[in-house]
Amino acid sequence: DAKTTQPPSMDCAEGRAANLPCNHSTISGNEYVYWYRQIHSQGPQYIIHGLKNNETNEMASLIITEDRKSSTLILPHATLRDTAVYYCIVVLIQGAQKLVFGQGTRLTINP
Amino acid sequence: KAGVTQTPRYLIKTRGQQVTLSCSPISGHRSVSWYQQTPGQGLQFLFEYFSETQRNKGNFPGRFSGRQFSNSRSEMNVSTLELGDSALYLCASSLDRGITNEQFFGPGTRLTVL
Repeated sequence: DAKTTQPPSMDCAEGRAANLPCNHSTISGNEYVYWYRQIHSQGPQYIIHGLKNNETNEMASLIITEDRKSSTLILPHATLRDTAVYYCIVVLIQGAQKLVFGQGTRLTINP
Repeated sequence: KAGVTQTPRYLIKTRGQQVTLSCSPISGHRSVSWYQQTPGQGLQFLFEYFSETQRNKGNFPGRFSGRQFSNSRSEMNVSTLELGDSALYLCASSLDRGITNEQFFGPGTRLTVL
């Protein structure tokens, strides 16, 4: 079973920041938080991951709370192409390329 | 660098038949994972291969099997197909140098069982 909880859907206006929350209250010290997204009919796409520090890359920022029980993915300037299902996944740091997907958040960017 | 490729992209089979799907990972990637996606169950992990050995396995019946070749290419096989096996089958590859890395997914093979 997935170890994360996400809202089933969210809306965001184009050009605004999209903030997607995720709860992972049972995360352990040897687990990362990973984010992927899946645009309709395509394979999932890696976005970002982190352990305990905030992370930023060209796609997004990841804010992890100090107790690591929740995180927020931030798309700073959402575009229509960011409409997708976003998955927050907890993954072992070593030796396990196994992603347990939950239902994710369906993010709709509105013009 | 070429991405993950999967063949065929679409497949139609009838109940009781078997099917083999193929996945070519990104060059240099040694880990290949397979996932099944259905509207009802979402994305589910099938198995993962690393250096020609199955390293992780999901909760699927023995009708689902796979293998990996020395060049890291992988195949999955489903025997005695059932209607419920209709799904999008996704393959993903990763570098895996001892720690978990991001997985790169292929476009998938859409299997329809009639």
